[in-house]
Amino acid sequence: SQELEQSPQSLIVQEGKNLTINCTSSKTLYGLYWYKQKYGEGLIFLMMLQKGGEEKSHEKITAKLDEKKQQSSLHITASQPSHAGIYLCGADGWGGGYQKVTFGTGTKLQVIP
Amino acid sequence: EAGVAQSPRYKIIEKRQSVAFWCNPISGHATLYWYQQILGQGPKLLIQFQNNGVVDDSQLPKDRFSAERLKGVDSTLKIQPAKLEDSAVYLCASSLGGTGVNTEAFFGQGTRLTVV
Repeated sequence: SQELEQSPQSLIVQEGKNLTINCTSSKTLYGLYWYKQKYGEGLIFLMMLQKGGEEKSHEKITAKLDEKKQQSSLHITASQPSHAGIYLCGADGWGGGYQKVTFGTGTKLQVIP
Repeated sequence: EAGVAQSPRYKIIEKRQSVAFWCNPISGHATLYWYQQILGQGPKLLIQFQNNGVVDDSQLPKDRFSAERLKGVDSTLKIQPAKLEDSAVYLCASSLGGTGVNTEAFFGQGTRLTVV
């Protein structure tokens, strides 16, 4: 089965600072998702990456999938308190011909005003 | 477009009692997932439906957990009897699904279960 490791596990940054979260897979990534979660709530979809070297941005958040497709990074520029939450990466696996998504353990981000 | 609806939002029960969670996915989504998320961990897939058929329930504790998706739309997840370690947030998600296609999953708000 595919395992995803996220680093760091938690992060505290000053408002306005940049930060990066990493997601490393034990197997080749055919689809990589980034989600954000507020404590105790559902996951909010941020971005999906599929091709090696692909990079996507949404507002101040940029995600990239490396060429070898075994690692992804999520970068936040000029962090704001609204960025606080848990960031989860999820990977597509295929079993029995159907898409299956497994998740990493998450990175908890706190942004201090 | 309406999102994934889950109910209840919160539930507190005593161990050995039974509980059921309900999920209404986004209209037209063939794939429905139930995840269990224990505090401090990532979501763990319990069961996955493609329309009204189960495609993966390898991590579902079948001695106490059951799930069904009638008519390929709504789904219920049941725990009977509950144990203390079942305390978690239960997340329902849906996606367009299909073979050979990567599509993002959309999540409901989750049901927070506390077993005392």
